Amino acid sequence: QSALTQPASVSGSPGQSITISCTGTSSDIGLYNYVSWYQQHPGKVPKLIIYDVSNRPSGVSNRFSGSKSGNTASLTISGLQAEDEADYYCSSYTITSTLYVFGTGTKVTVL
Amino acid sequence: QVHLQQWGAGQLKPSETLSLTCAVYGASFSDYFWGWFRQPPEKGLEWIGEINHNGDANYNPSLKSRVTLSVDTSENQFSLKLTSVTAADTAVYYCVRGPKVVGNWFDPWGQGTLVTVSS
Repeated sequence: QSALTQPASVSGSPGQSITISCTGTSSDIGLYNYVSWYQQHPGKVPKLIIYDVSNRPSGVSNRFSGSKSGNTASLTISGLQAEDEADYYCSSYTITSTLYVFGTGTKVTVL
Repeated sequence: QVHLQQWGAGQLKPSETLSLTCAVYGASFSDYFWGWFRQPPEKGLEWIGEINHNGDANYNPSLKSRVTLSVDTSENQFSLKLTSVTAADTAVYYCVRGPKVVGNWFDPWGQGTLVTVSS
């Protein structure tokens, strides 16, 4: 099972909006609405920020939003802040025996 | 507040067995699946497997032949064993809570254990 494809890096200025794409296949993102996103600051534990494509866990800023179209999911961070500088990973449930597949990761830089 | 606390040996030699345990606090052990992930240095996340309170387990096919998950419901703990480790198994290992039914979310995560395999 190949990893989901994410851009290696995305950058933006404070206050701007950025979008991270996550491309899979008809066996994962295209088949299920079970896409999640994780934020990981350097040396820290991954944190769930989006689940089921567009739902935010309690306590997660509404500046984070998720969507999906076909085999591609997206995470948008609006009103970019310095604290948003981190690595972001997407994940999808998959029909294969691997069950869960993760993205390659995107490093977000706040300029 | 759900909290996962994990522990285990951090230094192993090739061919040894990796063993980690995770204790669950603040959540009903029977209401979720409990899993493990790993993250090699400077790399992405890899799902290892998951288990429920009945011992029903699912494994990543790429690791299945070397992985065993187990549960101790009396202590609200679950464990990971990975046999015949090599340098490629060097990673930070995390325990997680996952959905009981079909879904894809993992929260919270344990604090992570860096396991280094070196002769």
